[in-house]
Amino acid sequence: DTEVTQTPKHLVMGMTNKKSLKCEQHMGHRAMYWYKQKAKKPPELMFVYSYEKLSINESVPSRFSPECPNSSLLNLHLHALQPEDSALYLCASSQGVFGGMGAGTEAFFGQGTRLTVV
Amino acid sequence: AQSVAQPEDQVNVAEGNPLTVKCTYSVSGNPYLFWYVQYPNRGLQFLLKYITGDNLVKGSYGFEAEFNKSQTSFHLKKPSALVSDSALYFCAVRAGTGGFKTIFGAGTRLFVKA
Repeated sequence: DTEVTQTPKHLVMGMTNKKSLKCEQHMGHRAMYWYKQKAKKPPELMFVYSYEKLSINESVPSRFSPECPNSSLLNLHLHALQPEDSALYLCASSQGVFGGMGAGTEAFFGQGTRLTVV
Repeated sequence: AQSVAQPEDQVNVAEGNPLTVKCTYSVSGNPYLFWYVQYPNRGLQFLLKYITGDNLVKGSYGFEAEFNKSQTSFHLKKPSALVSDSALYFCAVRAGTGGFKTIFGAGTRLFVKA
């Protein structure tokens, strides 16, 4: 199984709502990521988890809250979002550990959640 | 600081002709270089990577890329383009000492005309 599965595929939420994005992989990867992608732009890294611990937070606003319940699951909790947060949210995973040769491992991406904040 | 440049917003090529999508990079230390492809409303799919060794790297779907250290380039190539290759292509770089922070280029849209 070389898939990263994201749910839901589409999400529309109001600015006062609380919602969660879910990501799952069963490849035994120990690094998992959240990216945000605006239309016709490259993905922007938000968070990195390594061995279920938060390794990198790219100064993301606190209205985005990541969670890694176990080695296969990654969640992104959303609260009080703004319309400008509307984007494609991509989850990814990779085999490598932090630094060293692990940096040379490729990432596997899910198909994303299209989020619209109204 | 790491950076990646994809100088062309769009590349147009006729089906059956060779294609090249350009990428140059800047990174401290040894680079790890990647190409990904993205189809509309989908995630990114890994095509190929350069870590070390042979400068010519072969990847998925007949794509290959050549690592050129002196020119700090990693251009994506394919000998014969297919209409189904039309998509958005991203070059990415990760520094050997940079852990998991991968920097993506702005992307190049490839349009293959039948």
